[in-house]
Amino acid sequence: AQSVTQPDIHITVSEGASLELRCNYSYGATPYLFWYVQSPGQGLQLLLKYFSGDTLVQGIKGFEAEFKRSQSSFNLRKPSVHWSDAAEYFCAVRTDSWGKLQFGAGTQVVVTP
Amino acid sequence: DGGITQSPKYLFRKEGQNVTLSCEQNLNHDAMYWYRQDPGQGLRLIYYSQIVNDFQKGDIAEGYSVSREKKESFPLTVTSAQKNPTAFYLCASSHEGAGMNTEAFFGQGTRLTVV
Repeated sequence: AQSVTQPDIHITVSEGASLELRCNYSYGATPYLFWYVQSPGQGLQLLLKYFSGDTLVQGIKGFEAEFKRSQSSFNLRKPSVHWSDAAEYFCAVRTDSWGKLQFGAGTQVVVTP
Repeated sequence: DGGITQSPKYLFRKEGQNVTLSCEQNLNHDAMYWYRQDPGQGLRLIYYSQIVNDFQKGDIAEGYSVSREKKESFPLTVTSAQKNPTAFYLCASSHEGAGMNTEAFFGQGTRLTVV
């Protein structure tokens, strides 16, 4: 069965510091992988996606993620966080050709001055 | 602008009441989805539909019902059989197939509270 694990429930980072959010997936075929961000009380916004090709993908808001098949990982990174990056981040894998998603439990990011 | 519209943003339900959450999209997507979000549990799939007049149960369908009479619309009814309906509900839609433009787009959500 497909699954997505985000090991860190909560991360606190100082403004200007780097950020890395971990994501591990379990999926039989070549995965379509996504990172979404959610501000409080809002819907989900797509940060970036991977489905083939270059394993380092660039997204919006200065985020990037690296797909590592050997480690079944798709970690999200940002070199220097801004206070506006405080939000909840979800990793997801597409489980069929129609777009159905399996989500991780999410990582809450707090940014301190 | 193309997108997904959910209404209402906040909804209060009395015990034993059925309530319906609206979801409309103008992205011309074939597939639509309802997810439930609870703190610390991520998003869980309630129902999904790939074509008009057809839908399938997701992982937590008990106590919910849907319809898909139009491509643009996928309303969710939370019935009195759903014993713990207080949650944040998100509607999404996507294209079918492989390649670049197959990500899911999400609405802004409806927060349902039992009073």
